[in-house]
Amino acid sequence: DAKTTQPNSMESNEEEPVHLPCNHSTISGTDYIHWYRQLPSQGPEYVIHGLTSNVNNRMASLAIAEDRKSSTLILHRATLRDAAVYYCILREANAGGTSYGKLTFGQGTILTVHP
Amino acid sequence: DAGVIQSPRHEVTEMGQEVTLRCKPISGHNSLFWYRQTMMRGLELLIYFNNNVPIDDSGMPEDRFSAKMPNASFSTLKIQPSEPRDSAVYFCASSRDLSSYEQYFGPGTRLTVT
Repeated sequence: DAKTTQPNSMESNEEEPVHLPCNHSTISGTDYIHWYRQLPSQGPEYVIHGLTSNVNNRMASLAIAEDRKSSTLILHRATLRDAAVYYCILREANAGGTSYGKLTFGQGTILTVHP
Repeated sequence: DAGVIQSPRHEVTEMGQEVTLRCKPISGHNSLFWYRQTMMRGLELLIYFNNNVPIDDSGMPEDRFSAKMPNASFSTLKIQPSEPRDSAVYFCASSRDLSSYEQYFGPGTRLTVT
């Protein structure tokens, strides 16, 4: 499985933007970039995903480098509720691939949001 | 929709006992995933099913672990016999199918084996 590298932890202040980086230099052409987050004492939840173009949804934005070897999850205005572990995951989109449908979680980035 | 339902939420058992964890996926979802989370190893995929058929069980740690999905609305993960190192939070997740970009996770079962 292609691997991702994220900082162990990051801190932010409430109502400020947060940029969470992820490196995935071994990404293949059929890998989607997914972000999940895990709030304390809960299961992970989907945040956003993309392939090549930048993506926006109600939760966040995803900026993908032109060479696709890195990406950044952007929380436009952090709230206390955004304190969580954020996981950057590569998901194989090739239906014939051995990892099709699987999510392989790394250690993620622990985001702390200060009031 | 009630989301993914897992039971029990907490389980404490003694070493050597059989443990059965249960999961009800979201109605209409055809893919189901079992994960285990520990501080040391993080979140690991144990096994996943598509249309009730196991697709990949390479993450199942030992023969003591088994999983079944007898129908589209129910799955079990069984540990027999249990050991202290099996203590972890076990999550079940479901998605519409394997091409879906979103997996929906349940609240987890916290297992403690003494």
